[in-house]
Amino acid sequence: EAQVTQNPRYLITVTGKKLTVTCSQNMNHEYMSWYRQDPGLGLRQIYYSMNVEVTDKGDVPEGYKVSRKEKRNFPLILESPSPNQTSLYFCASGDSGTPYEQYFGPGTRLTVT
Amino acid sequence: GENVEQHPSTLSVQEGDSAVIKCTYSDSASNYFPWYKQELGKRPQLIIDIRSNVGEKKDQRIAVTLNKTAKHFSLHITETQPEDSAVYFCAPLEEDKIIFGKGTRLHILP
Repeated sequence: EAQVTQNPRYLITVTGKKLTVTCSQNMNHEYMSWYRQDPGLGLRQIYYSMNVEVTDKGDVPEGYKVSRKEKRNFPLILESPSPNQTSLYFCASGDSGTPYEQYFGPGTRLTVT
Repeated sequence: GENVEQHPSTLSVQEGDSAVIKCTYSDSASNYFPWYKQELGKRPQLIIDIRSNVGEKKDQRIAVTLNKTAKHFSLHITETQPEDSAVYFCAPLEEDKIIFGKGTRLHILP
């Protein structure tokens, strides 16, 4: 089944404790992206990647890191999480022919206390 | 950067009536204009998109129209049904960045 998976789906952590949210897609998509969703703000792009080893900042990259060592995986790293990073995070991917048609993962709800 | 605005932020329509949501953008170089639907507790899903060489696209009860001169595009839903209740997002493309609007919550009234 074609899909985008994220893990964990729910995470409660404390300020400053490094964490990684994994994202994987099995559709051989080149474009991958991370978004955060906050009430009243819609979805905001954090980072995106056009292909392996190519990453670029989106609208709200501060406090986040990403890597794209393999085509299928695009982990989101929070080196020192803070409470303002409490949010719902979505990973998405897009085909090389229509890379901007985004297929979203199920979401990861992160709470930083 | 891209400035994307959606109107209205909330819309209530009687079942069977039509709904129209408008999205304005600022980047004249934008060339891809999608609409996503997000049901409560679920992930966003693409429902229709249009590219800058086309003015209108229709898929059953939904349609998207594009006015590049005025820099806006609209989502049209006809014969609305209860399952159309959701939040709708436009997401025009700026270079390789995807900029989502803040969303429109559509309520279908019985």
